[in-house]
Order: sequence, then C-alpha cells, then structure tokens
Amino acid sequence: KNQVEQSPQSLIILEGKNCTLQCNYTVSPFSNLRWYKQDTGRGPVSLTIMTFSENTKSNGRYTATLDADTKQSSLHITASQLSDSASYICVVSVGGATNKLIFGTGTLLAVQP
Amino acid sequence: EAEVAQSPRYKITEKSQAVAFWCDPISGHATLYWYRQILGQGPELLVQFQDESVVDDSQLPKDRFSAERLKGVDSTLKIQPAELGDSAMYLCASSLGDREKVAQYFGPGTRLLVL
Repeated sequence: KNQVEQSPQSLIILEGKNCTLQCNYTVSPFSNLRWYKQDTGRGPVSLTIMTFSENTKSNGRYTATLDADTKQSSLHITASQLSDSASYICVVSVGGATNKLIFGTGTLLAVQP
Repeated sequence: EAEVAQSPRYKITEKSQAVAFWCDPISGHATLYWYRQILGQGPELLVQFQDESVVDDSQLPKDRFSAERLKGVDSTLKIQPAELGDSAMYLCASSLGDREKVAQYFGPGTRLLVL
C-alpha cells in the first residue's frame, strides 16, 4: 500500500531556531517528492519538488533532502520566523500514473516569540 | 500572480441538505482536482478532470457526491444529501497537465460544517 508518514506530528520551536521535519514513504513506483506548506484555513502551497536523481533542493530558508535508497526525506527550516507556523505536508507522486499524489498527514509547526 | 479561486470560503448546513462548491482554476490549466481534507489529515483526492472529462473519480462517493466541469474551465462539486461526516475542508487544485512533476496549485478551500 502506498503510504507517506511524517514525524513529528507537531513541533514547537522558538523564533530564530532551526528545525528538521521527517518524511518516510513507501510508494511504488516513485516519481517525485514534494513539500507543501499549509497555513491554517488555507490551501497548501508548494515549497519544493524533487525527482529520484535530486538529493537536495532549497527554497529560501527551506532546504529539502531526499534519500531514494532509504525512502526518506527531510525539510530543514533555518532561522525560523513566526510566519513559518503552519502545517508542512510531504507528498509523493506515483510514477506512471496521471499525477496521482499520496499525501502525508503533516507536521504542525508552531514558532513562538 | 494567478490563483485558484474557490467559493464560498465557509459553509454551514444541516444534514440532508444540498451544498455546492465552486472552483475557478488558473487560466490555461487543463487539469483540475477536488480534494477533501479532514482536520489533522492530508488531502484525499475525490475527482480529477482533464479538460471536461473525468479521469479519476474512484474515491468519490457517487451516491451523494457529483462533480462537473462542463466547459473545461470552472467546476462545481455538489453533495446531496450532506451528512455529518462530510464536515471537512474541500480543496480545489489545478495544474497545466497531468504529467509527473507538474506542480499542482491549490485554492484557499471551502470549509464545510454539517450540523
């Protein structure tokens, strides 16, 4: 069964600190992995997309890594800001299908002053 | 910057009533998706359109849910009759095509509460 699991479920950090969110997946065939940021009451916004051959991709203070061998990904947030408070969702695209996405349940991040 | 539009943003209804949600994708996006997101969970695909045709509605509860995209542009998702368990966020997304690695852009969602 295609699944995407994320940890931790929730995280509280102080403003200015760094944090790392984890994603493990069992999706076959694998096409690409995406990280989305979802503010409360809003739709998800894409942060990064990585294919099998890419092992790191950055978007400002967000850096995603991918280890296709161990089927793990991480999202590192540097110098956190209050506006980083959101749910971060790991999404894996199934290869060969018409853009079918498997969503994780997300990590809820709260950045406190 | 172009965005996916959805309305209404919030809807409260009583069970057994009919509700409808509207989505206007980014101009030129041929693929449109409707997702349901229960609080604390990731989105679940309900239906996918390629232009005006349904390409995946395997997870759509067809006894009460229907979706259409008559002219291949905007789309409507309907629930009739609504049940308590339908309370969720309904997200619409669009993409240029259905190829792998094509980004999906999400709208702000419609939050439905069934009483």
